[in-house]
Amino acid sequence: EIVMTQSSATLSVSPGERATLSCRASQSVNSNLAWYQQKPGQAPRLLIYGASTRAAGIPARFSGSGSGTEFTLTISSLQSEDSAVYYCQHYNKWPPMYTFGQGTKLEIK
Amino acid sequence: HVQLVESGGGVVQPGRSLRLSCAASGFTFSGHFLSWVRQPPGKGLEWLAVISPDGSSAYYADSVKGRFTLSRDNSKNTLFLQMSSLRPEDTAVYYCSRLSAGTRWFGAFDLWGQGTMVTVSS
Repeated sequence: EIVMTQSSATLSVSPGERATLSCRASQSVNSNLAWYQQKPGQAPRLLIYGASTRAAGIPARFSGSGSGTEFTLTISSLQSEDSAVYYCQHYNKWPPMYTFGQGTKLEIK
Repeated sequence: HVQLVESGGGVVQPGRSLRLSCAASGFTFSGHFLSWVRQPPGKGLEWLAVISPDGSSAYYADSVKGRFTLSRDNSKNTLFLQMSSLRPEDTAVYYCSRLSAGTRWFGAFDLWGQGTMVTVSS
């Protein structure tokens, strides 16, 4: 089983600054990595797929990078509405298994 | 409007069964792999199961294998999750989701329903 580990449980960043969220896979998932944003009381929303491709309608301040086992979600110029929990997820394994990381709660100071 | 709408949640006693439904609209339902994900109160996301577009193949997380069964009715644009032998630890919000088109089994979940709450308690 591939284990996804997000390095920070909580991250606190000031408005206008940059937030960097990390995700590590216990074995290579190539670029089959997605990032989701979840706000309280809402369903998750796809932000990034293929490790670095923004989903439709996602602002350009969200960017993803990495491949293999190390991945990063960067949110430049933080806005108050970016306060949420962010999850990484791989979709690389056969038979299908789509493990999520435990989530990083991003707080805007 | 492109959407997924779950229903069927509620309070159920341990050991009993429950069937969740997910109604799709606004897209070609029969062209997509579909999945269920759950989230216990205050906790993270857990993938549960995925089904092929024609319903011929389905895969499950170990935590629900043998207890949950995924099926779909493409004529009614509806996905089902039959849950049996329910346990208190199955208490969660259950989301249906759609895998991105053209990715077969290896896709991100690009559309989510609003979720339905299942509480397993005596």
